[in-house]
Amino acid sequence: QVQLKETGPDLVQLTQTLSITCTVSGFSLTTYNVHWVRQPPGKGLEWMGAMWNGGGTDYNSAFKSRLSISRDTSKSQVFLKMNSLQTDDTAKYFCARQPNYPGRDYFDYWGQGVMVTVSS
Amino acid sequence: DIVMTQSPTSMSISVGDRVTMNCKASQNVGSNVDWYQQKTGQSPKLLIYKASNRYTGVPDRFTGSGSGTDFTFTISNMQAEDLAVYYCMQSNSFTFGSGTKLEIK
Repeated sequence: QVQLKETGPDLVQLTQTLSITCTVSGFSLTTYNVHWVRQPPGKGLEWMGAMWNGGGTDYNSAFKSRLSISRDTSKSQVFLKMNSLQTDDTAKYFCARQPNYPGRDYFDYWGQGVMVTVSS
Repeated sequence: DIVMTQSPTSMSISVGDRVTMNCKASQNVGSNVDWYQQKTGQSPKLLIYKASNRYTGVPDRFTGSGSGTDFTFTISNMQAEDLAVYYCMQSNSFTFGSGTKLEIK
């Protein structure tokens, strides 16, 4: 069955770099797109960026200068890396799957998320 | 960037009520709006895609409508298990609304 699972640190120091891995199963990264979405405690959802099935990426302009998304298709993993962390980067980080079919521009499966706290 | 303005921020409702919430896009997004439900402590769950299409397994009390810049999401007969925060999202460039929280009156 389709699953996505985020793994990463609970705590990251101010100004340091955050690295999170999304490991997927039940589908191929060369067939489906994977997105990253974050949610600060008690707040709404924010789209961060996407890894397209063809290997290209897109980023929310709010993060473009410090966000990088990559993948290892052989391991079915998508990676998020964001540098220069600030306290307002404290959030739960989700990865989500998007079908690569016309008219299917939605996120049909989500990981459970990983809560990351940025500490000074 | 496309901004999705969602209203209201919260609603106090009773079981059995009809619930309606809205999203307004800052520019024409066609019918490329999805609606998600997020219960406390859980990941978001897709309910409606392409403005008005119910996703697999979603009860028919959930409906969506709209096109262009104005979109509506309705729960026709509110159930206790529908207590959640609901988000719209435009899928042209992926922006979420700020959410509508449903609370019991």
